[in-house]
Amino acid sequence: GAGVSQSPSNKVTEKGKDVELRCDPISGHTALYWYRQSLGQGLEFLIYFQGNSAPDKSGLPSDRFSAERTGGSVSTLTIQRTQQEDSAVYLCASSLGGLQTGELFFGEGSRLTVL
Amino acid sequence: KNQVEQSPQSLIILEGKNCTLQCNYTVSPFSNLRWYKQDTGRGPVSLTIMTFSENTKSNGRYTATLDADTKQSSLHITASQLSDSASYICVVSAGSGGYQKVTFGTGTKLQVIP
Repeated sequence: GAGVSQSPSNKVTEKGKDVELRCDPISGHTALYWYRQSLGQGLEFLIYFQGNSAPDKSGLPSDRFSAERTGGSVSTLTIQRTQQEDSAVYLCASSLGGLQTGELFFGEGSRLTVL
Repeated sequence: KNQVEQSPQSLIILEGKNCTLQCNYTVSPFSNLRWYKQDTGRGPVSLTIMTFSENTKSNGRYTATLDADTKQSSLHITASQLSDSASYICVVSAGSGGYQKVTFGTGTKLQVIP
């Protein structure tokens, strides 16, 4: 596609429910990132996929968070047993791979509200 | 630990005035530094990229500088416009070869008022 596409754009869920957020990166981009941005805060790194390499999961805040990237393209971020502190905007970005000169292209984000 | 610090945290300026945003980083090995603009409710968009050998780069009314010795960068906005109101995020990449570690600053929130 023309840009990074994320869905849903907004999600309201009840505490304890599981949610899935989807990211469709720019075609041909081998690198994909998930970030979390709480209200008025900076971007918090969650996970990074680069080609067929093992993902960098160092930013995932707990084992309730997981992500996968199927076929090197679409990625899904799953949050199990959601908590109120999970409420944030979840941003996905993709790049051509390796950041020597590559720019991160961001989606518009998925706003998650946990009641 | 890689860190990127930005100042000021927030800034209000009058339309037409200039301003300068600062970014200090402790990232190694340095690869490149980008400034991103994030409008409210949108994803960040890249403004400039600077590599180790570059000191200054301009993009319209935006001019970024980089001092690799002191590990500082600045973003200067000239003749500000209301549409410049946004968060400006300094992003530093570390690493080499195929893997890069990206560290985001917490951003400077700029408000341009008429």
